[in-house]
Amino acid sequence: GENVEQHPSTLSVQEGDSAVIKCTYSDSASNYFPWYKQELGKRPQLIIDIRSNVGEKKDQRIAVTLNKTAKHFSLHITETQPEDSAVYFCAGSHGTYKYIFGTGTRLKVLA
Amino acid sequence: DTAVSQTPKYLVTQMGNDKSIKCEQNLGHDTMYWYKQDSKKFLKIMFSYNNKELIINETVPNRFSPKSPDKAHLNLHINSLELGDSAVYFCASSQVSQNNEKLFFGSGTQLSVL
Repeated sequence: GENVEQHPSTLSVQEGDSAVIKCTYSDSASNYFPWYKQELGKRPQLIIDIRSNVGEKKDQRIAVTLNKTAKHFSLHITETQPEDSAVYFCAGSHGTYKYIFGTGTRLKVLA
Repeated sequence: DTAVSQTPKYLVTQMGNDKSIKCEQNLGHDTMYWYKQDSKKFLKIMFSYNNKELIINETVPNRFSPKSPDKAHLNLHINSLELGDSAVYFCASSQVSQNNEKLFFGSGTQLSVL
């Protein structure tokens, strides 16, 4: 069935370093790949997304890359700050009514 | 004027009870969802409704019954609550018809079944 695998499950980085979170999807029909950030006790919120016709997208310190052939996509956060600490979820969908979320990555940015 | 609002925020109840969670969105979206987030933070879709019609039911026990009186509301009723139902339940909405799949989540309802 449809599946999105996400690694690592936890990630600790020093403030100022980069963080990379990777996801792999199984449904080749997936064409939309969002990333959500969930701070402790809060709701998940979209931080960046990418469609299957684009290989890379950037928004200030965050970027997402997509390799459709390998069915991989990754989130890159540069110059990490303590407020980047949160749980990050990748997801895949094919434009219908169902997202498949990855299992989440708990990012800790150490000051 | 919260975009997606759900009530209550916290729900503590005994096993076997019946409870409801309400959700409303003021974004004019055509699709609403219920997600369950367990203690390991896994986010799993339970239901999605498009214009009041059930589109997805992800093998959720029939103790869970969603109801959508109009496209701005999607409520979740749970019968005969079990310990394993303890989780955070998130309502969400999106505008699928305009190819804008961005999900807007409510603030969540933390359900604790004792």
